[in-house]
Amino acid sequence: EAGVTQFPSHSVIEKGQTVTLRCDPISGHDNLYWYRRVMGKEIKFLLHFVKESKQDESGMPNNRFLAERTGGTYSTLKVQPAELEDSGVYFCASTYGPTDTQYFGPGTRLTVL
Amino acid sequence: DAKTTQPTSMDCAEGRAANLPCNHSTISGNEYVYWYRQIHSQGPQYIIHGLKNNETNEMASLIITEDRKSSTLILPHATLRDTAVYYCIVISNFGNEKLTFGTGTRLTIIP
Repeated sequence: EAGVTQFPSHSVIEKGQTVTLRCDPISGHDNLYWYRRVMGKEIKFLLHFVKESKQDESGMPNNRFLAERTGGTYSTLKVQPAELEDSGVYFCASTYGPTDTQYFGPGTRLTVL
Repeated sequence: DAKTTQPTSMDCAEGRAANLPCNHSTISGNEYVYWYRQIHSQGPQYIIHGLKNNETNEMASLIITEDRKSSTLILPHATLRDTAVYYCIVISNFGNEKLTFGTGTRLTIIP
């Protein structure tokens, strides 16, 4: 069974540009989480989907970040416009049920120049 | 969720058991203890979790004190590939819970 996958693995963009990160959860997992680690800081929660609905988006830093999960399968996280402080590693995790263990993808390293 | 306290760093000789402590003195009855690790810049990797009984799987053992205020993750025969940051996370079993990672313990396995 394939694990959580994320694309791209790395992205380098200029400040002000737009970037879209994608996460494919484990097949059949209804719950999808986004986290990120910015340089020198702890891994922080961003938001949680249950199927296509946002269950908790309390960790989203500002309105430059837009997460979607149309159809309840893969999810995208768009940053528009990107700022220098958005640089970091963005992780995605998924679970089947709400009390199950979260399994993480390899992450997308975003560098904003 | 209860707060956890872990040592900042630890060393362990290759082949020996690595014992990583975690304090979670404010844990409540419905909260589990989870352990994850992050090897270099990879995604966090699930290791093990428990409620009140000791647990063992192919990766590690988890020892939880009777009062549940602390726990120890044991890697029985540490290898160089176990060098990573280890996170002890307390999370309720109500579901839909976000993970709070903290700073973790940086474990270095010495050849």
